[in-house]
Amino acid sequence: QQPVQSPQAVILREGEDAVINCSSSKALYSVHWYRQKHGEAPVFLMILLKGGEQKGHEKISASFNEKKQQSSLYLTASQLSYSGTYFCGTEGRTFNDYKLSFGAGTTVTVRA
Amino acid sequence: DVKVTQSSRYLVKRTGEKVFLECVQDMDHENMFWYRQDPGLGLRLIYFSYDVKMKEKGDIPEGYSVSREKKERFSLILESASTNQTSMYLCASSLSGTSGKGNWDEQYFGPGTRLTVT
Repeated sequence: QQPVQSPQAVILREGEDAVINCSSSKALYSVHWYRQKHGEAPVFLMILLKGGEQKGHEKISASFNEKKQQSSLYLTASQLSYSGTYFCGTEGRTFNDYKLSFGAGTTVTVRA
Repeated sequence: DVKVTQSSRYLVKRTGEKVFLECVQDMDHENMFWYRQDPGLGLRLIYFSYDVKMKEKGDIPEGYSVSREKKERFSLILESASTNQTSMYLCASSLSGTSGKGNWDEQYFGPGTRLTVT
């Protein structure tokens, strides 16, 4: 089952902040975040393993709430280079649910 | 740098043809993956392999098969291409989950093959 990402798209001005949410209907072991710029391959940002854990990549950080089966990606003081489509991937806790499933993506456009 | 290469960037095939998409990685990764990417649907896993000659179905395996005869090479096969298989196909590879990062480590993606079936 694919996780659900929201919003589908967001437009920002440079320096603004944004939050992208990723929700799953299954108990999660890990959440992965990737960014894909237009015409390029997806690139890894971070993996979150523990509930409540926060990781960072430049001014992009993320949190993982195990109990709510959710993760959020925070874009702080956005830069033009942050434009792209962000995907979350979720890995389930159970033996039969270990495959990594990606969401539909959130398209971020940062304007000058 | 890890490099994942795919045999073609663009491919046009006719309905009913047998299609081979090739993927090669140069970092001795155990895991390899095939995804298709469609607008509004994100990345959907077709098949993956965690070792030579080992394969497992992903979320949308119907109409596809795979082959992994060598560790560095993972092939996706469309036995009889259909128009609904027109899509962007992405290959990825990763180390096995022994780095303390869960079962799945960071994936490295190839540039993709845009397949059009007419």
